[in-house]
Amino acid sequence: GDSVTQMEGPVTLSEEAFLTINCTYTATGYPSLFWYVQYPGEGLQLLLKATKADDKGSNKGFEATYRKETTSFHLEKGSVQVSDSAVYFCALRGNFGNEKLTFGTGTRLTIIP
Amino acid sequence: GAVVSQHPSRVICKSGTSVKIECRSLDFQATTMFWYRQFPKQSLMLMATSNEGSKATYEQGVEKDKFLINHASLTLSTLTVTSAHPEDSSFYICSARVPAGTDTQYFGPGTRLTVL
Repeated sequence: GDSVTQMEGPVTLSEEAFLTINCTYTATGYPSLFWYVQYPGEGLQLLLKATKADDKGSNKGFEATYRKETTSFHLEKGSVQVSDSAVYFCALRGNFGNEKLTFGTGTRLTIIP
Repeated sequence: GAVVSQHPSRVICKSGTSVKIECRSLDFQATTMFWYRQFPKQSLMLMATSNEGSKATYEQGVEKDKFLINHASLTLSTLTVTSAHPEDSSFYICSARVPAGTDTQYFGPGTRLTVL
């Protein structure tokens, strides 16, 4: 079945550091890929998505590129801020009309000033 | 953006009692809602898909008689944990899908259930 593997946390970085959170997936066909963010005390929010190979999703300075050859969707940001501290989830949605989201385990990110 | 609320945010109950968790879409109608369970340091696991006006579709391994789901209106779905036991203690999260062709799910803030 479908699965998502993302780097374990927690990750602690200094403000303005470069961020990479790795995510790889296993799925049949051509899934859609997502990054969700969960700020303290809030529900998961969609951060960005990509629906086909080589698509780049971007939002709030974060980027991720759908790499079919490496089955990856790594999250990157060039300069993180304290407000980026949150838990980040990589997820996929299979195709063929399947609405189910399969999530990774989440990566807790803490940015220190 | 679309807002989904959950009530209560946390609940503590005695073993053997039943607990109802509400999930509401506040500013949109949701024909489909999803219920997830999250264990500490683990991923969200889909429990069931709830469609308004019809029976929920449960994932393999989820007891439908244990976790009763009702989606009686386009803005409300409820999850009732019946005869709760300590192993049911977990973080329960709902999401709702905006209809009309989008694949985006909007998530509630979650409900922390502790069964003593």
